[in-house]
Amino acid sequence: QSVLTQPPSVSGAPGQRVTISCTGSRSNIGAGYDVHWYQQLPGTAPKLLIFGNSYRPSGVPDRFSGSKSGTSASLAIAGLQAEDEADYYCQSFDSGLSVYVFGAGTKVTVL
Amino acid sequence: QLQLQESGSGLVKPSQTLSLICAVSGGSISSGGYSWSWIRQPPGKGLEWIGYIYHSGSTYYNPSLKSRVTISVDMSKNQFSLKLSSVTAADTAVYYCARTGGTAGPLQYWYFDLWGRGSLVTVSS
Repeated sequence: QSVLTQPPSVSGAPGQRVTISCTGSRSNIGAGYDVHWYQQLPGTAPKLLIFGNSYRPSGVPDRFSGSKSGTSASLAIAGLQAEDEADYYCQSFDSGLSVYVFGAGTKVTVL
Repeated sequence: QLQLQESGSGLVKPSQTLSLICAVSGGSISSGGYSWSWIRQPPGKGLEWIGYIYHSGSTYYNPSLKSRVTISVDMSKNQFSLKLSSVTAADTAVYYCARTGGTAGPLQYWYFDLWGRGSLVTVSS
């Protein structure tokens, strides 16, 4: 069971906006540690999508945005496209476990 | 452009030691103040951080794996390696090497900004 909780799946029609939540606790997100997001396309390695809660690496479309509040964080995908079908993982640090932790992942399906 | 490539044994017998190498190309492993991580993903499951080695040679391991993990670096070959001892079927996974970014700040804020393609390791007799 992951320390960071994500919904197993979300779906949306092309052009719609979807959000993925990542819920933690006072020992990780609530402790003030940053949340980072990764996109894993089928059969490929994860790719950094958002770092430092809301910053996009060079080359990541501005359709992707991140936010954090309290013990939770969210990833939003605006203007959903077929190429966005992938698994998305959140990541932070847990001071109780002294380890970098990932959510179990959310599968995004474009209807 | 910096690239990472894993290589090593794809099949390991139970109780033996898993060994993987991550070759870094397009840049020096010793520059930039980065640390270098190993992360694994069992088939159909999520991601688990294994540990990292800093450019200075210091290491930090996942406490749940610490007794079995060794990460080392070979600056002359521009590569770093993973050894995981006493493996069981539960260690079957795709193993990724990754560059750890954000290292200008405290380690609790670090993230994994560049990944290798991954190497599947199966533990089976």
